[in-house]
Parts: sequence; structure tokens; C-alpha cells
Amino acid sequence: GAVVSQHPSRVICKSGTSVKIECRSLDFQATTMFWYRQFPKKSLMLMATSNEGSKATYEQGVEKDKFLINHASLTLSTLTVTSAHPEDSSFYICSAAGGANNSPLHFGNGTRLTVT
Amino acid sequence: RKEVEQDPGPFNVPEGATVAFNCTYSNSASQSFFWYRQDCRKEPKLLMSVYSSGNEDGRFTAQLNRASQYISLLIRDSKLSDSATYLCVVNTYNAGNMLTFGGGTRLMVKP
Repeated sequence: GAVVSQHPSRVICKSGTSVKIECRSLDFQATTMFWYRQFPKKSLMLMATSNEGSKATYEQGVEKDKFLINHASLTLSTLTVTSAHPEDSSFYICSAAGGANNSPLHFGNGTRLTVT
Repeated sequence: RKEVEQDPGPFNVPEGATVAFNCTYSNSASQSFFWYRQDCRKEPKLLMSVYSSGNEDGRFTAQLNRASQYISLLIRDSKLSDSATYLCVVNTYNAGNMLTFGGGTRLMVKP
């Protein structure tokens, strides 16, 4: 069964509104969570890495004020797309890893965001 | 040079063929390695971890070559259902997970 739950799986919102996406690890403590976006037929693009209790590390070109990431507990991270625009429409995926150095990544099932 | 590199493909192979992908990594301190499979419009799913001694799971064999800094994935007797994008992931653990993805290799198995 799924070990990482991502919600919602699909969301449609209007321009200017904010959307929050949740990522939960279900049966392990996720010391690190990652957020990605993916355009059709393209590879995953890492947006940010967050370690529990500390500020997220954003990849170059990703606006931290636009994509707010919170990782307040070992089982929950959230990504908020603020003041969404149509160009933010994409597939957003979270993943989580445990604390050991041989921990594989477990992915959420993704959120398809459409901004109208 | 990218930290983790893969040939994007696509690799077009007939059913029953054997196909192999490589993934090179630049950081010699990398410690753990994984292959993921991603189907179109779906999230990646763990296919297998890659162990130093090499490991096999059915038709899939993964190998690690630390000296040359690459991992490989071999698929024997390809099935139509193997068509997907295969991503390698490298973990350079340093007081926390630092996981880096390759860009993925697209495989298309034809009847």
C-alpha cells in the first residue's frame, strides 16, 4: 500500500488564489521531503528540499515566496502555491525519505493543478 | 556536467529483447542507489535498490560500478508493460539525505 499520501490529487483554481498541497508519510518518519513539478513528457524537476523543523532549501529559479513549503512534523509537509497563475498549472509530486542513508524515496501520487 | 546523467532515449525494442540502461554519477561519495519506474502521468515507483554486489529481481538486474561511477539496469525478455521511463536516483548522504535524480530513460517495447 501507499506509504506517502498526497492530497488533493487534482485541483482546479482561479488565478490569484492560493492552493495548498499536503504530503504525508504514513508509516515512517520522513526526515526529508522533496517537492517536484513535472511538465508533460518531461522529467521531474526538483523544486525544494525540506528537512523537518528547518527552512526548505529551494532550487535555483524557484521562488520561495511563491511556493511556500512547511515541514513542521516528521510526517507532514505542505506546499502552498500562492497567487496562482495559469503558468503554475503542472503536476506536483512530493516524495519522502527516512533518516537512514539507504532509505529509498517514496512518492506521493501527485497533484494535478490547473489554474484557470 | 550533471550530477546524475542518463541517456534520455527513447529506447525502442521488440518484445522479448534484452535492454540495458546506464546511469552515471559524479559524486564519488554517493552511498546508495535506486531505480524507479515512472509511467506516463503517474508518480515514480521504486523498482529496485542497487546493492554493491548487484541484485536481481525476476527479469531485472541492477549493478553498481563504483570505480567507474555508474549503475546499470538490465531488463530481460522485455514485455509491452515494461514501457515506461526509468529514473535512477543517487543518495549522497551527508547529515541528511541528498537525493539526486537522473533525467530518466524512456523505454518503448513494441509488439
